[in-house]
Amino acid sequence: DGGITQSPKYLFRKEGQNVTLSCEQNLNHDAMYWYRQDPGQGLRLIYYSQIVNDFQKGDIAEGYSVSREKKESFPLTVTSAQKNPTAFYLCASQVGTDTQYFGPGTRLTVL
Amino acid sequence: GNSVTQMEGPVTLSEEAFLTINCTYTATGYPSLFWYVQYPGEGLQLLLKATKADDKGSNKGFEATYRKETTSFHLEKGSVQVSDSAVYFCALSDRGGSYIPTFGRGTSLIVHP
Repeated sequence: DGGITQSPKYLFRKEGQNVTLSCEQNLNHDAMYWYRQDPGQGLRLIYYSQIVNDFQKGDIAEGYSVSREKKESFPLTVTSAQKNPTAFYLCASQVGTDTQYFGPGTRLTVL
Repeated sequence: GNSVTQMEGPVTLSEEAFLTINCTYTATGYPSLFWYVQYPGEGLQLLLKATKADDKGSNKGFEATYRKETTSFHLEKGSVQVSDSAVYFCALSDRGGSYIPTFGRGTSLIVHP
């Protein structure tokens, strides 16, 4: 079955640590996205990538970094510069300007 | 710029009640419109979509009609079930070339037995 996988489902970070969230898709979509969702809030765009080896900042990119070395993969690193990283992180992919397909999410908690 | 406004929640209903969740939008050009649903602890999934004026999207008993004259895409269901409890997001995609969709803030639906 085609789809998007995210791992891990739950992640715990200590103060000062960098952590990396995985996102993989086998839908052959060019565009991939990372969103942050806080309780009771909508989606906020962190980074997006339209093609391999290219990505752009979204609305809340500070404290985050990404790479896009392969079409299938778009990992997100939450750096120690992100002062309030506790949230639910969603990865998505898209073909053209049509439907977005979302992964199951990673819940990150700072200890 | 583009924007999507949807009614604030939570919307609380009894089972078998009629559901309406309002969604209005502003956009340049002729966007595609979407409703996504998010069940607790999960990612969003497409519920239905419409790509041009007067189109009706439908799925699992839910319907929404693309109304260009009122710039609206209201979600309706004739008889909700407890299993419909979730957060519903209205969204638009600008077919003019932007790869970034615009999402509403989401409306939480709680259905009681």
